[in-house]
Amino acid sequence: EVQLVESGGGLVKPGGSLRLSCAASGFTFSSYSMNWVRQAPGKGLEWVSSISSSSSYIYYADSVKGRFTISRDNAKNSLYLQMNSLRAEDTAVYYCARVGSVATIEWFDPWGQGTLVTVSS
Amino acid sequence: SYELTQPPSVSVSPGQTARITCSGDALPKQYAYWYQQKPGQAPVLVIYKDSERPSGIPERFSGSSSGTTVTLTISGVQAEDEADYYCQSADSSGTYPFGGGTKLTVL
Repeated sequence: EVQLVESGGGLVKPGGSLRLSCAASGFTFSSYSMNWVRQAPGKGLEWVSSISSSSSYIYYADSVKGRFTISRDNAKNSLYLQMNSLRAEDTAVYYCARVGSVATIEWFDPWGQGTLVTVSS
Repeated sequence: SYELTQPPSVSVSPGQTARITCSGDALPKQYAYWYQQKPGQAPVLVIYKDSERPSGIPERFSGSSSGTTVTLTISGVQAEDEADYYCQSADSSGTYPFGGGTKLTVL
């Protein structure tokens, strides 16, 4: 069974940093591109960042560019999101999501259960 | 990246057909994807590449595309289909916009 389990969320002050992790199992992690998608409380989904299987291609939403860094460790079947200079508007549930197949980068399936990041003083 | 526009809400009675639209200028050139999200749960893919249905998704879920609009159709709506639905596409710059979401209410 494919599983994605996020961790690392919590309460952080504005300007602070946090590192999210996503542990993957049940599939060949090194073959798939991975993504982070977030959802502010009561709001819609917002794609945050993506990373290709070998980390050759990395993309960010304009809202996080220069502050967030996506990375992966294929030996540990893990995806990461380093979040710096956090702002109140970064408060959200952060989901880890795999792409649907090795042949695509366009859709997300499955998703983890999410980890909540709260930025507040 | 470009914008995808969805109606905020759609309401139908059980057994009726629900249609949720998503509009975007790039949709004639890019595929659309649909996700279902129930309260407190992670999103689940229900349609990919405009009209393909993943294994395990009921046949009552279907998708179609016409010009700048894609449509998610749920035939014979059941109470369990009440959820938020999001469309998503891909931008040539490597970004992945989502629509604002549509709350489906089963009356």
